[in-house]
Amino acid sequence: EVQLVESGGGLVQPGGSLRLSCAASEIRFSNYWMHWVRQAPGKGLVWVARINSDGTSTSHADSVKGRFTISRDNANNTLYLQMNSLRVEDTAVYYCELAGGPLDYWGQGTLVTVSS
Amino acid sequence: SYELTQPPSVSVSPGQTARITCSGDALPDQYTSWYQQNSGQAPVLVIFRDTERPSRIPARFSGSSSGTTATLTISGVQAEDEADYYCQSADSSGTYNVFGGGTKLTVL
Repeated sequence: EVQLVESGGGLVQPGGSLRLSCAASEIRFSNYWMHWVRQAPGKGLVWVARINSDGTSTSHADSVKGRFTISRDNANNTLYLQMNSLRVEDTAVYYCELAGGPLDYWGQGTLVTVSS
Repeated sequence: SYELTQPPSVSVSPGQTARITCSGDALPDQYTSWYQQNSGQAPVLVIFRDTERPSRIPARFSGSSSGTTATLTISGVQAEDEADYYCQSADSSGTYNVFGGGTKLTVL
C-alpha cells in the first residue's frame, strides 16, 4: 500500500525556520510530480508548491515565494519543504500530495504552528 | 493572483442530484480536478482531467467543464457524501496551481 508520511512540523516563533519531510513508500516516487498543500485551522485547502518528477522544475505560490523552497531526493524517496521567515499566517496543517492522473495520494499532514 | 470561485454551501436531500460549480478565467485552458474532504481527514480525489473518475470512486460522481465553469455532479446523493468539496486547477500558464474556496455539501 502506498504511504506518504510527513514529519518536521511543530511550534516555531515568527521569523523562524522549519524543514518538512514527506517519505514515500510502495511507489516509484521518481515517476511523479509532488505538491505541498496547506490548510489553516477551519479554512480551505491552499496550494503551496510543486516539483516535477526529476526535481528540475519547481513552482511556489506567491504567498510563500522567496521564503519556502520545495525539493526532493529521489534516491531516498523523500520530498522536502524548507520554510524560512515563518509568519503567524503560515500556521496550518501541511500535506504532501503525489499526483499522477488517477493516482493521487496524500499524507496524514503535519501541523506547523507559528506563534510567539 | 488567479482565483477559483465556488459556492460556500450546497444542500440536497438524499437521492437528489447535487451540483457544485467552480468558476475561473483559465478553465477553458486548464484541466479541473475535484477533491472530497471529510472533517479531520486528508482530501480524496474524486474527479481529474475535468471528467475522469478514479476507479475507486462511485459512478454517481461525475464532472464536466464548459467555458469558464467546471461542475461536479453527484447523482443520487447519499448521506456519506456530506463533506467539503474543492476544485483545483492551474493558471493559464500552467505554472501555479490553485484550489477553490471549497463547498460544504449538506445532505438534509
